Amino acid sequence: DSGVTQTPKHLITATGQRVTLRCSPRSGDLSVYWYQQSLDQGLQFLIQYYNGEERAKGNILERFSAQQFPDLHSELNLSSLELGDSALYFCASSVIASDTQYFGPGTRLTVL
Amino acid sequence: GENVEQHPSTLSVQEGDSAVIKCTYSDSASNYFPWYKQELGKRPQLIIDIRSNVGEKKDQRIAVTLNKTAKHFSLHITETQPEDSAVYFCAGRYSSASKIIFGSGTRLSIRP
Repeated sequence: DSGVTQTPKHLITATGQRVTLRCSPRSGDLSVYWYQQSLDQGLQFLIQYYNGEERAKGNILERFSAQQFPDLHSELNLSSLELGDSALYFCASSVIASDTQYFGPGTRLTVL
Repeated sequence: GENVEQHPSTLSVQEGDSAVIKCTYSDSASNYFPWYKQELGKRPQLIIDIRSNVGEKKDQRIAVTLNKTAKHFSLHITETQPEDSAVYFCAGRYSSASKIIFGSGTRLSIRP
């Protein structure tokens, strides 16, 4: 157990819908990262937050947004969902930006 | 640009033999290189990491070597066992962007 928690574990929804994925970092970690992993694919970096501020952006679609709250938990919002958004979404956290990242168990999103 | 290249994409070795996975990076100022193991459907887990002030690090059957001049680093697994079967990701910390870039992954299969 890495200490990073993600909810929900599984999410099944329909095209066009909107969902919110939640991540709680390890105690003491200030930085949160979001990744998308499609079937048999690598880790696609989406976005990074550090102490509530956006720090870096990767290949994140405009339909996706995220934020980090004062208690350091983070949420990833996915809207106007498409079939291709079906994937594992991982959250990771680190003590400081660009330090060792510890991954959560992931949220498996299925868009039907 | 920022890039970490990983080879091979798939690797099959006989149980008991050694496995080597190689990665190259482009930013000569990079100073931190973690390796992650991801079993099917599970989170990536940190297995070993190396910083640029050392050339080699070992942890039981796993070792990582770093060649700063050539800008490449490698993961070595000796006496492979069935439980070593997984996808392995290398990563590098890019000082210019203060973020970690992941390689594309290597699927390692151990033949009985």
